Amino acid sequence: DTGVSQDPRHKITKRGQNVTFRCDPISEHNRLYWYRQTLGQGPEFLTYFQNEAQLEKSRLLSDRFSAERPKGSFSTLEIQRTEQGDSAMYLCASSPPRRTLNTEAFFGQGTRLTVV
Amino acid sequence: GQQLNQSPQSMFIQEGEDVSMNCTSSSIFNTWLWYKQDPGEGPVLLIALYKAGELTSNGRLTAQFGITRKDSFLNISASIPSDVGIYFCAGHPGSQGNLIFGKGTKLSVKP
Repeated sequence: DTGVSQDPRHKITKRGQNVTFRCDPISEHNRLYWYRQTLGQGPEFLTYFQNEAQLEKSRLLSDRFSAERPKGSFSTLEIQRTEQGDSAMYLCASSPPRRTLNTEAFFGQGTRLTVV
Repeated sequence: GQQLNQSPQSMFIQEGEDVSMNCTSSSIFNTWLWYKQDPGEGPVLLIALYKAGELTSNGRLTAQFGITRKDSFLNISASIPSDVGIYFCAGHPGSQGNLIFGKGTKLSVKP
């Protein structure tokens, strides 16, 4: 079991550029989440997929952000026209199929985005 | 929106001491999770709690799901230097897919 994998680990980009991050969840985990974490804060929810369906989106997810999970396996998070305020750690998490109310989420190591 | 109040914000303790931190919410949660995060890494799940009143241990860590379902605490016994990090509580309201996180407790341990 390789755990949740995120790529890249670090990304430095110029303001206005587009960036895309990838997340590979734990195999057989049908639920996938994206969170954003800024310094000194806890992770904040961005969006949630169950299989390939995007079921929830936070108000934090502006029009410049788009997430996909086309085949219900890996997911991508794209940020268009990056702004300095987008600088943060972007975390991906996955959970196994929900049989009860149990909802353990396992996180990847994150992608640290710096917009200069 | 729903918020979690986590305290204390930071703790400086001597190696060998016990640690206690807690999390409270203004609304009911169906699940409480405790995570530890090291600098530059993602949160690592420590303990998951699913029932009101549940007390669960994981080695030197013990956590409880409050009876009111609006709070939880985490205790660490006999702290060691590798316990250093930021501890987050997270709650699952049950009606949504996402977790809501506290702002974390930063633990420093003096050898």
